Amino acid sequence: NAGVTQTPKFRVLKTGQSMTLLCAQDMNHEYMYWYRQDPGMGLRLIHYSVGEGTTAKGEVPDGYNVSRLKKQNFLLGLESAAPSQTSVYFCASSYSGEISTDTQYFGPGTRLTVL
Amino acid sequence: QQQVKQSPQSLIVQKGGISIINCAYENTAFDYFPWYQQFPGKGPALLIAIRPDVSEKKEGRFTISFNKSAKQFSLHIMDSQPGDSATYFCAASIRYNQGGKLIFGQGTELSVKP
Repeated sequence: NAGVTQTPKFRVLKTGQSMTLLCAQDMNHEYMYWYRQDPGMGLRLIHYSVGEGTTAKGEVPDGYNVSRLKKQNFLLGLESAAPSQTSVYFCASSYSGEISTDTQYFGPGTRLTVL
Repeated sequence: QQQVKQSPQSLIVQKGGISIINCAYENTAFDYFPWYQQFPGKGPALLIAIRPDVSEKKEGRFTISFNKSAKQFSLHIMDSQPGDSATYFCAASIRYNQGGKLIFGQGTELSVKP
């Protein structure tokens, strides 16, 4: 049982390049989330999904797209990377969206640098 | 109004001492207040959480104190150990579309000196 895994662990991009971050969970969770973590700002929700084939915007969705084609995978895409997207990205999953009863489990993160 | 303000930004405590991290919020719609612990190179992990109808919750050396009227809550780590050195985030949950959304504080980097 690997929990939540993220690939890659590190990536350096040039401005304007594109890339996809992959999140996978083996806990049969319905809900999946993408956060970004920046110094002094905590974690902020980018996009989330309440089930296979669904996606929704979070607090800071601009510049990102997501897809949930399979229940266990949640992809985060950057079509044209900008230096402001330099951050650590965390994926999380939970059985339901009821935070008080269902814990969100976080992956180990992807450190992205955009030059 | 959906912010959660956390202080201090960093904290150094001697082994065996008490670590205290404070958070404040404005939105009375928040209905659940978890704390997360994050070690370097790892994702955050749920440490302890409290509902707003409870004033205190204790789990081992970790205690949350909650003051609903002041809209403040704090994490106390008793008998702090070097293994507690990590970044701690408070958070607040609010109903959002088909579930809840977590609003995180800015984080506190705790260092416990031996």
